[in-house]
Amino acid sequence: GQQLNQSPQSMFIQEGEDVSMNCTSSSIFNTWLWYKQDPGEGPVLLIALYKAGELTSNGRLTAQFGITRKDSFLNISASIPSDVGIYFCAGRGVGLYNNNDMRFGAGTRLTVKP
Amino acid sequence: EAQVTQNPRYLITVTGKKLTVTCSQNMNHEYMSWYRQDPGLGLRQIYYSMNVEVTDKGDVPEGYKVSRKEKRNFPLILESPSPNQTSLYFCATGPAGQGLSYEQYFGPGTRLTVT
Repeated sequence: GQQLNQSPQSMFIQEGEDVSMNCTSSSIFNTWLWYKQDPGEGPVLLIALYKAGELTSNGRLTAQFGITRKDSFLNISASIPSDVGIYFCAGRGVGLYNNNDMRFGAGTRLTVKP
Repeated sequence: EAQVTQNPRYLITVTGKKLTVTCSQNMNHEYMSWYRQDPGLGLRQIYYSMNVEVTDKGDVPEGYKVSRKEKRNFPLILESPSPNQTSLYFCATGPAGQGLSYEQYFGPGTRLTVT
């Protein structure tokens, strides 16, 4: 099936630094979603992207849907300790595969040092 | 309050003993889905349902069954659990229909251990 490659796997940063993570696919996706998971909880939706080239912000978070439709990135500006968690990208593909199933990246584990 | 509820939250069982994990939502969402989360693999979709009596296989359906007899409930059934089904399971729901948004809302998770 369609695979999502998410990088980096983990990040250790200082409070106040900016963070960038990305997701790439071997196939075209027509929806990209970014989630955050806190320990012991389910993922929470941060940003949803529906059009190639779309750039969307949610507070200190900004995400973009790549124009090739095979990638997306998430930026976090001026990180704070509560940004700690695992960030997942997710996508819905097109073409030969069932259009209604979702694929997730393996996650980026973010640690923010005060 | 909008909620996705899973039960049980924790379960330890033995190989071959049938079990059901329930998922219930009060948001009137058409779309419901089950995922398993394993270290290094992220979330993998097991089954999903676009509406009542409509279910489809996700990425890893083997060893699982689902049913969608009511809009609010989407139970996950393991007829004969095996140790490789030890995992953290999440139910998710979302609105569907024309212009599908795919903005899913996740339950709190069920940690299953099969010995």
